[in-house]
Amino acid sequence: AQSVTQLDSHVSVSEGTPVLLRCNYSSSYSPSLFWYVQHPNKGLQLLLKYTSAATLVKGINGFEAEFKKSETSFHLTKPSAHMSDAAEYFCVVSDPMTGTASKLTFGTGTRLQVTL
Amino acid sequence: DGGITQSPKYLFRKEGQNVTLSCEQNLNHDAMYWYRQDPGQGLRLIYYSQIVNDFQKGDIAEGYSVSREKKESFPLTVTSAQKNPTAFYLCASSRDRGAYEQYFGPGTRLTVT
Repeated sequence: AQSVTQLDSHVSVSEGTPVLLRCNYSSSYSPSLFWYVQHPNKGLQLLLKYTSAATLVKGINGFEAEFKKSETSFHLTKPSAHMSDAAEYFCVVSDPMTGTASKLTFGTGTRLQVTL
Repeated sequence: DGGITQSPKYLFRKEGQNVTLSCEQNLNHDAMYWYRQDPGQGLRLIYYSQIVNDFQKGDIAEGYSVSREKKESFPLTVTSAQKNPTAFYLCASSRDRGAYEQYFGPGTRLTVT
């Protein structure tokens, strides 16, 4: 069975300061991992994905994440927060199923607040 | 402009009524999914479909039904048997097994009173 733990339900940073959103995972397989962002009352947008290539993954809007197998972590970072980054962020692990579908297991989310 | 559309954005129903949520994609994706999102929780899988005329139950299928008559469309019916239907519903699709990420629609917020 696979699972994802997002270690902080809420993170608050000042605009221009670094962002760190923490995620630990558990998977029986060599996992695929994702970060998605959700703005209020919107769908989820894929920020970045790790699929066993480079361990440092760069995504959209200046975000990146590092896959650390020894620590079973996939933390999301950004050097400098912008007001538009305020949203809910989900760490997700994928379990490939037979056929064409994939099963995603979602963390409970981290709400990022950015203050002036 | 490719993507996933869900309609309507907001839906209100009385208890005891069935309601159908629409999901359409023009990404030519084989697999489609329905999720439910409640406050403070991650997404939970309701149903998924890998090909036309085939679908499988997810983790919380009770009180829901789906159909997949066309590759582009995967409507979800919330039946009166669903005990707590008020939630945000998200539809997603994915290309194939080699690309596990899913792409999401904008969601439908259903309120049942």
